[in-house]
Amino acid sequence: AQTVTQSQPEMSVQEAETVTLSCTYDTSESDYYLFWYKQPPSRQMILVIRQEAYKQQNATENRFSVNFQKAAKSFSLKISDSQLGDAAMYFCAYRDFGNEKLTFGTGTRLTIIP
Amino acid sequence: NAGVTQTPKFQVLKTGQSMTLQCAQDMNHEYMSWYRQDPGMGLRLIHYSVGAGITDQGEVPNGYNVSRSTTEDFPLRLLSAAPSQTSVYFCASSSVGMGEQFFGPGTRLTVL
Repeated sequence: AQTVTQSQPEMSVQEAETVTLSCTYDTSESDYYLFWYKQPPSRQMILVIRQEAYKQQNATENRFSVNFQKAAKSFSLKISDSQLGDAAMYFCAYRDFGNEKLTFGTGTRLTIIP
Repeated sequence: NAGVTQTPKFQVLKTGQSMTLQCAQDMNHEYMSWYRQDPGMGLRLIHYSVGAGITDQGEVPNGYNVSRSTTEDFPLRLLSAAPSQTSVYFCASSSVGMGEQFFGPGTRLTVL
C-alpha cells in the first residue's frame, strides 16, 4: 500500500520569507498524482498545487511551487513571500493514476510570524 | 453552483445512537468518497463510490455504511455510534481521471 510521510509536524516562517514543507511517499507505481492541500482554521480543504508524475517540470501556482524528485520519491512545497493568510495545516496526498483514492500524510501546521 | 455540501456541520450523539451524515454534489461527478480526520493522523478513507449503485470500502470502514442511489448523493450512516467515531468527517467528489477532488466543508461529530 502507498504511504505518505510528512516529517515536520509544525513549521514557522517570518512574513515575506520563504518556507519549504517536506513530503516523501512510497509507491511501486510509475504513474500517479501528487497534491498539496491547505486546511485553514475554517476546516475547508483547498487544493494548492498538483503534480503529475509523468511530467518532469515542477508545478508552479503563483507563490507556490514544488520540488518533485521522482527517483527519491520526494515532493516538497515551497511557499515564497509568505503571507498571514498562508497560516494553515498543509497536507501532502498521493493518488494512483488509475484510481481515485487519495492517501494523505499526517500534515504540517504552518505558522506565519508577523 | 454549490459544489460539495455536507449536513449537519456539527453533531453530538450518545453512544449507541444512529445517524446519517448527508453529502451532495452538483458537479455530476462520478466519484464520491468519505474521509475522517483525526488529530495527528491526516485524512483516512472510509468508503467510496465510483458511480450510482457502486460502493466499496476504504481504509477504515468498520462501523459505517454507505449507499449511492443517485449520482448527486452519498450519505454516510453510523448504525451504533461509539466514542471512537468522534472525528471530523469530509465528503469529496471528483470527475474520474481528472485528478482533483473537491471537498465539502466537513462535519464535526462528537460521540459521548
